[in-house]
Amino acid sequence: GENVEQHPSTLSVQEGDSAVIKCTYSDSASNYFPWYKQELGKGPQLIIDIRSNVGEKKDQRIAVTLNKTAKHFSLHITETQPEDSAVYFCAASGTNAGKSTFGDGTTLTVKP
Amino acid sequence: ETGVTQTPRHLVMGMTNKKSLKCEQHLGHNAMYWYKQSAKKPLELMFVYSLEERVENNSVPSRFSPECPNSSHLFLHLHTLQPEDSALYLCASSPNPTINYGYTFGSGTRLTVV
Repeated sequence: GENVEQHPSTLSVQEGDSAVIKCTYSDSASNYFPWYKQELGKGPQLIIDIRSNVGEKKDQRIAVTLNKTAKHFSLHITETQPEDSAVYFCAASGTNAGKSTFGDGTTLTVKP
Repeated sequence: ETGVTQTPRHLVMGMTNKKSLKCEQHLGHNAMYWYKQSAKKPLELMFVYSLEERVENNSVPSRFSPECPNSSHLFLHLHTLQPEDSALYLCASSPNPTINYGYTFGSGTRLTVV
């Protein structure tokens, strides 16, 4: 089955700096890669996703890049703000459509 | 409001109790999921329902029993649980069970087994 590894497990940045979270996956058939943000006391919320026919996708301060050859994808947050502090999860979906395998999560802290 | 509502938000139950978790979505989605989120562990898929039919049981013990009476509602019936079953139980939905889409999650039920 699919295996997703996520790094780092914790990340602390100063407000205004950039943050990068990286994930690798094992199943070359995976073709959909969502990212979720989970705030305290809430369920994960989809913030951006990318499909395997695209190398990069951007939505305001958030971008995701995908390297299919190396089987890794990354989340980039620019101009971080304290409200970006949360746990971020990457996931990968492939041959078993509708079923996502999640990474372990990254706790991001943005210091004001 | 995320569009997926879970009740109760918190539940404390003894090991001999029987309780049920409820999930409701009115997004018109056709797939619903139960995930378990424990401290220091990744999200664990428990069950997948596609158009009210269970399509996956991810080796979950029989003390967890799902039910999907219609495409908008999903239940997780609990009985004779163990303390290690204490976790956040998340319900999610997605538009189409055969095409990869992101999930819409509920806020979860925080379960404590004493």
